[in-house]
Amino acid sequence: AQSVTQLGSHVSVSEGALVLLRCNYSSSVPPYLFWYVQYPNQGLQLLLKYTSAATLVKGINGFEAEFKKSETSFHLTKPSAHMSDAAEYFCAVSDQPGSGNTGKLIFGQGTTLQVKP
Amino acid sequence: GAVVSQHPSWVICKSGTSVKIECRSLDFQATTMFWYRQFPKQSLMLMATSNEGSKATYEQGVEKDKFLINHASLTLSTLTVTSAHPEDSSFYICSVRDPSGGYFGPGTRLTVT
Repeated sequence: AQSVTQLGSHVSVSEGALVLLRCNYSSSVPPYLFWYVQYPNQGLQLLLKYTSAATLVKGINGFEAEFKKSETSFHLTKPSAHMSDAAEYFCAVSDQPGSGNTGKLIFGQGTTLQVKP
Repeated sequence: GAVVSQHPSWVICKSGTSVKIECRSLDFQATTMFWYRQFPKQSLMLMATSNEGSKATYEQGVEKDKFLINHASLTLSTLTVTSAHPEDSSFYICSVRDPSGGYFGPGTRLTVT
């Protein structure tokens, strides 16, 4: 079974400050890991993904995440927060699609990012 | 990545009626689609995996007779909420998985009065 834990349901930063959203995963097979962003009343937008290639993954809007197997972590960072980054962020894990696997995504609880001016 | 649409984007229905939500994969032939439910201020919970041409696989605790899923083609899956009740009010989101990741529809807001 796979699961994801996001530490901190609410994170508040000042505009221009570092953003760090934490995600730890549990998986019995090599995981695929994802970060999504959701704005109010909208679907999910893929920020970035780890699919067993480079451990440091760069995504859209200046976000990046590093896969650390020893720590079972996939934390999301951005050097300088912008007001438009305020949203809900979800970390998700899946197995590799194919070979009988569906590749279904299991989500963490979500972290609300607040950016203060 | 895959482009996914949903229809309707929002729907209000009376308690006891049924509602059908469509999920379309616009540029990817999806043998598998996923249906999620999201309550306010909560995360996405996987309801079921929709399989083209065969029965859906439901997650534990999801009533298959209440949430009917049909995946008749590689581009369309439908979710029918039967005999809806106010506690079924939620945001329903479908997803397609291609080799590069999971892509989500814009969601359908269901309100049962």
